[in-house]
Amino acid sequence: ILNVEQSPQSLHVQEGDSTNFTCSFPSSNFYALHWYRWETAKSPEALFVMTLNGDEKKKGRISATLNTKEGYSYLYIKGSQPEDSATYLCAFDSGNTPLVFGKGTRLSVIA
Amino acid sequence: EPEVTQTPSHQVTQMGQEVILRCVPISNHLYFYWYRQILGQKVEFLVSFYNNEISEKSEIFDDQFSVERPDGSNFTLKIRSTKLEDSAMYFCASRSGTGYNEQFFGPGTRLTVL
Repeated sequence: ILNVEQSPQSLHVQEGDSTNFTCSFPSSNFYALHWYRWETAKSPEALFVMTLNGDEKKKGRISATLNTKEGYSYLYIKGSQPEDSATYLCAFDSGNTPLVFGKGTRLSVIA
Repeated sequence: EPEVTQTPSHQVTQMGQEVILRCVPISNHLYFYWYRQILGQKVEFLVSFYNNEISEKSEIFDDQFSVERPDGSNFTLKIRSTKLEDSAMYFCASRSGTGYNEQFFGPGTRLTVL
């Protein structure tokens, strides 16, 4: 059974703080690692698709890195804003099977 | 921007009743999925659908569940006789094809079984 773990489970930060959280996944049969941002009552929104070991992707103040050999990805948010408050999900993609999700990290940014 | 839509947003039903959850995937997408998330737990895969047939299903997707793409635009999930433990958020997703492209998710239907 594939296991994808995210930590921490929840996080409270002050506006302006930078933060990061982790997704760990199996290092075998890796195809891609997906990051999603999910606000309550909205669709999970795709942030990044990470595919190559050493990949680093950036979208505004949010960036992500990937280490497929050791099976982890970090998501960083620089200068957190209240609108960054959401649950951040990662999902392991082994190519021929459906996505396997972590439980998510619930981020609350306090103004 | 194209998006996946789902109806209803919230469905309340009595145990033993049938429910149909509806999804309209993005129009040129070829692969369709249903996932669910029981409160406090991980998002879990239910079923994938390609070329008008189920391509994969999880052990959750038993004989009480079925999927259909009746008219080329809608993608439905039917639960024949709901149980209390079916209460969850049900997400539909679609993606365009093979490769690294991401799955696009709908906003979900919250199913409450009483």
